[in-house]
Amino acid sequence: DAGVIQSPRHEVTEMGQEVTLRCKPISGHDYLFWYRQTMMRGLELLIYFNNNVPIDDSGMPEDRFSAKMPNASFSTLKIQPSEPRDSAVYFCASRGRGTNGVGAFFGQGTRLTVV
Amino acid sequence: EDKVVQSPLSLVVHEGDTVTLNCSYEVTNFRSLLWYKQEKKAPTFLFMLTSSGIEKKSGRLSSILDKKELFSILNITATQTGDSAIYLCAVDRLDSSYKLIFGSGTRLLVRP
Repeated sequence: DAGVIQSPRHEVTEMGQEVTLRCKPISGHDYLFWYRQTMMRGLELLIYFNNNVPIDDSGMPEDRFSAKMPNASFSTLKIQPSEPRDSAVYFCASRGRGTNGVGAFFGQGTRLTVV
Repeated sequence: EDKVVQSPLSLVVHEGDTVTLNCSYEVTNFRSLLWYKQEKKAPTFLFMLTSSGIEKKSGRLSSILDKKELFSILNITATQTGDSAIYLCAVDRLDSSYKLIFGSGTRLLVRP
């Protein structure tokens, strides 16, 4: 398995534009997580899915953020409209059910810059 | 509210030094504590600790958990420049969520 795959790796966009981040979890993993990392706030959990169903979106900062998981192999995180304060590295992670001994596997992240 | 606190926030040492990183937590229904290493990209898994007093070891890295005092330490002996990274601590709850709650990390810089 190639691990968790995120795209794009880097995104630079202008304020007000829509941004869509993509994630392909590890095959067979039931849980998918979206995290945001900044220097000020560290790694924050935005939302997570279990079997494609959103379970907890309490970390989503505003209505401008939305996430979907249409099937077990794909998820998106959308920001519309984007703002400079959304600039961060966005990580997707997945894990299987149970105490597998290794926790979650992370993708390489998408570095978002909103100018 | 669940909380994970790491200290120090940053640390600069010289090659060969030994370092100890700290992680304290307050979380309902604790299941396990995990350590990750983050270099330039994604966090990579180091250890998962579920039982008090049992040391986990991998090469020069080791970690132990104290569930009574609610903390864990990560030790790195004979540090090398390749150990320079952010070390993240996370806790896992004993419910069905399987989500990880992270601390802010300790940024370690090992100078030659």
